[in-house]
Amino acid sequence: EDKVVQSPLSLVVHEGDTVTLNCSYEVTNFRSLLWYKQEKKAPTFLFMLTSSGIEKKSGRLSSILDKKELFSILNITATQTGDSAIYLCAVISQNFVFGPGTRLSVLP
Amino acid sequence: EAGVVQSPRYKIIEKKQPVAFWCNPISGHNTLYWYRQNLGQGPELLIRYENEEAVDDSQLPKDRFSAERLKGVDSTLKIQPAELGDSAVYLCASSLVGWRDNEQFFGPGTRLTVL
Repeated sequence: EDKVVQSPLSLVVHEGDTVTLNCSYEVTNFRSLLWYKQEKKAPTFLFMLTSSGIEKKSGRLSSILDKKELFSILNITATQTGDSAIYLCAVISQNFVFGPGTRLSVLP
Repeated sequence: EAGVVQSPRYKIIEKKQPVAFWCNPISGHNTLYWYRQNLGQGPELLIRYENEEAVDDSQLPKDRFSAERLKGVDSTLKIQPAELGDSAVYLCASSLVGWRDNEQFFGPGTRLTVL
């Protein structure tokens, strides 16, 4: 059974801190890994990662995939209160499987 | 460009009542998904359509859940009868053809409360 695990499940930091969110997976026929940000409403797409070792970057957010060790990290530098959200990792294999999410709270 | 549209946004019903959710995907997206998201968990896929064909409904509780996507555009998800454990957010998403190579775009969801 395909499995996606995220850690930590919850994280509280102060503005300006840097955070690293982790996603590991065990799936059959891995295709790609995606990161989403979910605030009060729908998940919004952040990154899609297909190849190992290639960092994807968008502003203060960056992510990288390690297909050998079966994990990805999402980094957020200089966090702001607007970064408070649930960050979901999803893996496309034969299915589309989400992890449980990491709830990030950024305090002023 | 309009995003994925869902209605209603909120629904409160008593157990054993029927309920239906509607989704209109992004224009041109032939793949449509229904997810259920329980509090504190990631979305769980219920059914995936490619055009009007349900190609993955292995996680859909078929005794009480049904879905349709007539004409390959809008979709409806129905629960009959609803149970207390069905309280969750029901998310609809769509993507371009080639679902394994394209990100999904999500609608705002329908929050269902079963009393």
